[in-house]
Amino acid sequence: DVKVTQSSRYLVKRTGEKVFLECVQDMDHENMFWYRQDPGLGLRLIYFSYDVKMKEKGDIPEGYSVSREKKERFSLILESASTNQTSMYLCASSPMLWDSNNQPQHFGDGTRLSIL
Amino acid sequence: AQTVTQSQPEMSVQEAETVTLSCTYDTSESNYYLFWYKQPPSRQMILVIRQEAYKQQNATENRFSVNFQKAAKSFSLKISDSQLGDTAMYFCAFMSLSTTSGTYKYIFGTGTRLKVLA
Repeated sequence: DVKVTQSSRYLVKRTGEKVFLECVQDMDHENMFWYRQDPGLGLRLIYFSYDVKMKEKGDIPEGYSVSREKKERFSLILESASTNQTSMYLCASSPMLWDSNNQPQHFGDGTRLSIL
Repeated sequence: AQTVTQSQPEMSVQEAETVTLSCTYDTSESNYYLFWYKQPPSRQMILVIRQEAYKQQNATENRFSVNFQKAAKSFSLKISDSQLGDTAMYFCAFMSLSTTSGTYKYIFGTGTRLKVLA
């Protein structure tokens, strides 16, 4: 089974701090994603990466950056955390798109981040 | 722009009954995929069922089936013989590769919270 591991289940940080959310997958997937999940808004894509050192902006990249130095690890960075970034953050991975099986995304357990 | 709409924020169903969750989407792409994901309370999001847009046959997975109406851009999920373990948030999702921009699109709906009643 694919395992997507997010480093923290719950995290509390202060306004202005630089925050790192880490995600590791163990299935050699090319694609990795970061979403935030808010009530009434569903999941919104922040960034995704289709290869090491490659990244693409999603729908709400403002205030975030990402890093993918190794294939298995995809980090989300809040450069200067603000209270409106309090949310549930979900990491996901998938193999190369459009392969014959077209496997969907596999999700981590999520990190509930609170910015005080 | 692509959108995914789930118009039912909350639903409930009696155990063993059948329930249908609705999802509509909008896209100009011809090749895309649709998914239903399930997120149980405090648990990981998992795939329930998926449908390739080029396939006319509706996907089924045990008690879960979809009604895919491509012309109407509708993708509803039917859960038969509902079980207590089906209580969860259900998300409809759309995935495509844009032929104009060359970028991938992943869009999720806002979710439907389903409660199965004993």
